[in-house]
Amino acid sequence: QVQLQESGPGLVKPSQTLSLTCTVSGGSISSGSYYWSWIRQPAGKGLEWIGRIYTSGSTNYNPSLKSRVTISVDTSKNQFSLKLSSVTAADTAVYYCAREAPTKIDYYYYYYMDVWGKGTTVTVSS
Amino acid sequence: EIVLTQSPDFQSVTPKEKVTITCRASQSIGSSLHWYQQKPDQSPKLLIKYASQSISGVPSRFSGSGSGTDFTLTINSLEAEDAAAYYCHQSSSLPWTFGQGTKVEIK
Repeated sequence: QVQLQESGPGLVKPSQTLSLTCTVSGGSISSGSYYWSWIRQPAGKGLEWIGRIYTSGSTNYNPSLKSRVTISVDTSKNQFSLKLSSVTAADTAVYYCAREAPTKIDYYYYYYMDVWGKGTTVTVSS
Repeated sequence: EIVLTQSPDFQSVTPKEKVTITCRASQSIGSSLHWYQQKPDQSPKLLIKYASQSISGVPSRFSGSGSGTDFTLTINSLEAEDAAAYYCHQSSSLPWTFGQGTKVEIK
């Protein structure tokens, strides 16, 4: 069974770059037609989708964060990563990685998040 | 982007009662609506996919319905372990979005 685990610094200074990695275990990140996503959740608040990557390297980002976000994949390490630049206190949140599984309906693929990591807390503070 | 609005924001319910949570989309999303349960200090767990499709291992008291813009998550005969926040999520149009969440408390 596929499991995801986030890792990275728990404290980042304002204006610096937040860097997180998600390690996939129990299966190959390259197998199947999956996308790999990042989602965040400020304390006591709702969920915000940050972006996703396909193992080909194709990405989609939330326009609200697009200018600051880079998601990359390292298939040799079975990992994908998130970089968020110029962080402020507003970026303090629990960051989750998740797998998007496909369902083919008619001629199109639709996706849903079926596996989530446990999340990692990132605090932006000097 | 597509806005999802859940109601209510909070519900306090007695065990064995029926719970109904609604999710309204700002435009039609077909059946690309999924429901998640999030217990305190845990990551979200998939409950229902594509509006009404059940998920293996999820108790049968959880069910979903709807299409287009209006969706419903129903919990039949609420149990104490169902105390959690519930979120709807659309994957019809990028960027993916979530509802603001509904917190279910056990009386």
